[in-house]
Amino acid sequence: GENVEQHPSTLSVQEGDSAVIKCTYSDSASNYFPWYKQELGKGPQLIIDIRSNVGEKKDQRIAVTLNKTAKHFSLHITETQPEDSAVYFCAASDRGAQKLVFGQGTRLTINP
Amino acid sequence: DTGVSQDPRHKITKRGQNVTFRCDPISEHNRLYWYRQTLGQGPEFLTYFQNEAQLEKSRLLSDRFSAERPKGSFSTLEIQRTEQGDSAMYLCASSSISYEQYFGPGTRLTVT
Repeated sequence: GENVEQHPSTLSVQEGDSAVIKCTYSDSASNYFPWYKQELGKGPQLIIDIRSNVGEKKDQRIAVTLNKTAKHFSLHITETQPEDSAVYFCAASDRGAQKLVFGQGTRLTINP
Repeated sequence: DTGVSQDPRHKITKRGQNVTFRCDPISEHNRLYWYRQTLGQGPEFLTYFQNEAQLEKSRLLSDRFSAERPKGSFSTLEIQRTEQGDSAMYLCASSSISYEQYFGPGTRLTVT
């Protein structure tokens, strides 16, 4: 089955700088890659996603890139703000966009 | 609020007791998923419904776990004879025919 690896496990950046989180996946049949933000005591919140027929997608300060050949995808956050502090999870769909397989998470801290 | 709702938000139970959790999906969503999340980890898939049909179950879902979605609307997850290893956050998500899964706030289970 699918396996998703996520790096780094923790990331600390200065407010206003950029943050990048990377994920690799194992199943070349995976075709959907969402990113979730999880704040303490809350459920994961979908922030952006990308499908395998697209190489890059951007939504304001957030962008995701996908390299199907290398089987990796990345989340880019620009102009970071204190409210971006949270745990971020990448995921990949396994067999037809049904269950999601998640990475281990990245705890992002934005320092003022 | 028309998001995914879960009840209860917190449950403390003694080892050996049975517990039941409820999930109400977004009203027009026909797919419903259960995941389990332990501290410091990403969510892990448990089971998935399309309308009232349970289409996939993870090997994580032992015989003590059962899930239902009797009328294709809300779903329940029951754990019988709880064990300390069952302590986790139980997350519900729903989706329409598109790929995006939206999560509820979760039910935190503590088995003492």
